[in-house]
Amino acid sequence: QVQLVESGGGLVKPGGSLRLSCAASGFTFSDYYMSWIRQAPGKGLEWVSYISSSGSTIYYADSVRGRFTISRDNAKNSLYLQMNSLRAEDTAVYYCARGFGGYCSSTICYVGGFDPWGQGTLITVSS
Amino acid sequence: QSALTQPASVSGSPGQSITISCTGTSSDVGSYNLVSWYQQHPGKAPKVMIYEVNKRPSGVSNRFSGSKSGNTASLTISGLQGEDEAEYYCCSYVGSTTLVFGGGTKLTVL
Repeated sequence: QVQLVESGGGLVKPGGSLRLSCAASGFTFSDYYMSWIRQAPGKGLEWVSYISSSGSTIYYADSVRGRFTISRDNAKNSLYLQMNSLRAEDTAVYYCARGFGGYCSSTICYVGGFDPWGQGTLITVSS
Repeated sequence: QSALTQPASVSGSPGQSITISCTGTSSDVGSYNLVSWYQQHPGKAPKVMIYEVNKRPSGVSNRFSGSKSGNTASLTISGLQGEDEAEYYCCSYVGSTTLVFGGGTKLTVL
């Protein structure tokens, strides 16, 4: 079945770095846009970043642009998030999710929604 | 990117219908027919219930429906059941290259 499994979470000091991984299975990974979405403890969902199927198109939320880098390895069916200069406000459960649906115009493609989501991995930024 | 506006909570009795609104602007909800809705039970990952305003993924009950008028999208759940009690989030594109979620709505089934 379609499955996403995140790993790499943990406790890190402010200013530190961490790399998250998301292992995909049960579908042709290279056909899909992928995204990272996070949820601070007791708070709502916040979109972080997404990457096109080939990796050629990448977008970030303003809150992480310049600090986080999304990437993928289609040969390994894996999605990554390199997080640098971490702050306390980055503390959250990080989910990877598969983009689906949507459409492409002449210049840009959109995803219609995200499904499925992984189980999430917790990042705690604290001294 | 400012979060889309959702009511903090809604409630209904079993069998009733409820509607959750998601209000944005002409730059997000009003500009794209790409609103999606997610259900999240405590301690679980979100699950998509509606995508592209009113499309229902396979496996999602037809008791869930979506619509949009202007800058406001809506999720309607008919025939409320106890298992529908959860947090619901809307999501939309804003500015073509970024996405924004609503603040979430807690649905209580009385």
